[in-house]
Amino acid sequence: DGGITQSPKYLFRKEGQNVTLSCEQNLNHDAMYWYRQDPGQGLRLIYYSQIVNDFQKGDIAEGYSVSREKKESFPLTVTSAQKNPTAFYLCASKRDRGYVDGQPQHFGDGTRLSIL
Amino acid sequence: GENVEQHPSTLSVQEGDSAVIKCTYSDSASNYFPWYKQELGKGPQLIIDIRSNVGEKKDQRIAVTLNKTAKHFSLHITETQPEDSAVYFCAAGLYGGSQGNLIFGKGTKLSVKP
Repeated sequence: DGGITQSPKYLFRKEGQNVTLSCEQNLNHDAMYWYRQDPGQGLRLIYYSQIVNDFQKGDIAEGYSVSREKKESFPLTVTSAQKNPTAFYLCASKRDRGYVDGQPQHFGDGTRLSIL
Repeated sequence: GENVEQHPSTLSVQEGDSAVIKCTYSDSASNYFPWYKQELGKGPQLIIDIRSNVGEKKDQRIAVTLNKTAKHFSLHITETQPEDSAVYFCAAGLYGGSQGNLIFGKGTKLSVKP
């Protein structure tokens, strides 16, 4: 089955620690996205990547970093600079870069990050 | 930039009734409008989408309508069932553009009472 796999499902971070959230897709999609979801806030874009070795900041990139070394992988690191990291993190992908014909984004099942 | 407003934030209906969720958008250039359903502890799943060259689209009990002049679009669920209970998100995007990003509404929590 093709899809998007996020791991781990739950993650705990200690003060001053960096943590990395994994996102892997086997859909052969070009574009990948990271969103943060807080209660009542909807989805806010952290980073996105349209192609391997390239990525752009979204609306709330401060305190986060990403890499895109392989087409199928787009890991997100939550750094110690992110002072309020407790949230539900969602990864998404889309077949083509840009909007060739109004393609939807497909989501993984998320990682819930909490502070110890 | 684009801004998407979604109403209501919570909606409770009796099983069998209809539910309507409305969204407005600010950027008249937006031309792609998907709707997502998110169940507890899961990622959002696409349930229906519409492009600006179409005024209405239906898929069984679900329909979406688009009014480009007024810049609003709505999700209609008929004959609601308890399994329709979830959080629903609307979004707006620009196809043909270079980024392909979506702007999401803040979500509507739908509760269907048996």
